[in-house]
Amino acid sequence: QSALTQPRSVSGSPGQSVTISCTGTSSDVGGYNYVSWYQQHPGKAPKLMIHEVSKRPSGVPDRFSGSKSDSTASLTISGLQAEDEADYYCCSYAGGYSWVFGGGTKLTVL
Amino acid sequence: EVQLVESGEDLVQPGGSLRLSCSASGFTFSSYAMHWVRQAPGKGLEYVSGISSDGSTTYCADSVKGRCTISRDNSKNMLFLQMSSLRPEDTAVYYCVKRQMATNGFDQWGQGTLVSVSS
Repeated sequence: QSALTQPRSVSGSPGQSVTISCTGTSSDVGGYNYVSWYQQHPGKAPKLMIHEVSKRPSGVPDRFSGSKSDSTASLTISGLQAEDEADYYCCSYAGGYSWVFGGGTKLTVL
Repeated sequence: EVQLVESGEDLVQPGGSLRLSCSASGFTFSSYAMHWVRQAPGKGLEYVSGISSDGSTTYCADSVKGRCTISRDNSKNMLFLQMSSLRPEDTAVYYCVKRQMATNGFDQWGQGTLVSVSS
């Protein structure tokens, strides 16, 4: 499976909104509603932020939201805060018990 | 509190093999599918392998297929990953990951264990 396509970097000022895209194919993102998003700070393990395209686990701020259109999923972070600066990865089920991650996006809060 | 603690070889020669272990606690291990995800230094996350809750279904990604065996011991709350014919590009932090069955999100991650493949 090929990695999902994400922009290498995005940036925004505190209080602004940013959107990170994640493009796959009909065999992964487009074929299942099992897209999840992970936040990773340097030297730390990833943290689940969004599952099933748009659902937030308990404890994740509602500033984080997810959506999907065809084979492209998106993560939007509104009201940017300094602590949101991190790497973000999308992930999709790809059938047959396989999963595929995106290449990752570095978010910089200016 | 859920805990996933990885352990295993940290330095392996090219062509060699490794066996990583993951000790799980704080949840009913036998009820959850488990996975291994790795991250090469300075690179992104890469899905490696997964196993169903009862061990009957396993999967290894194409990048490690034929060199990878995932297994579990539900009586000891342990997850294992065996890899052979190791290459320098297998150098990575290997994470043990729990998948939430209802949501299919990887909701708990270990701290990771660094494996270096080098002579």
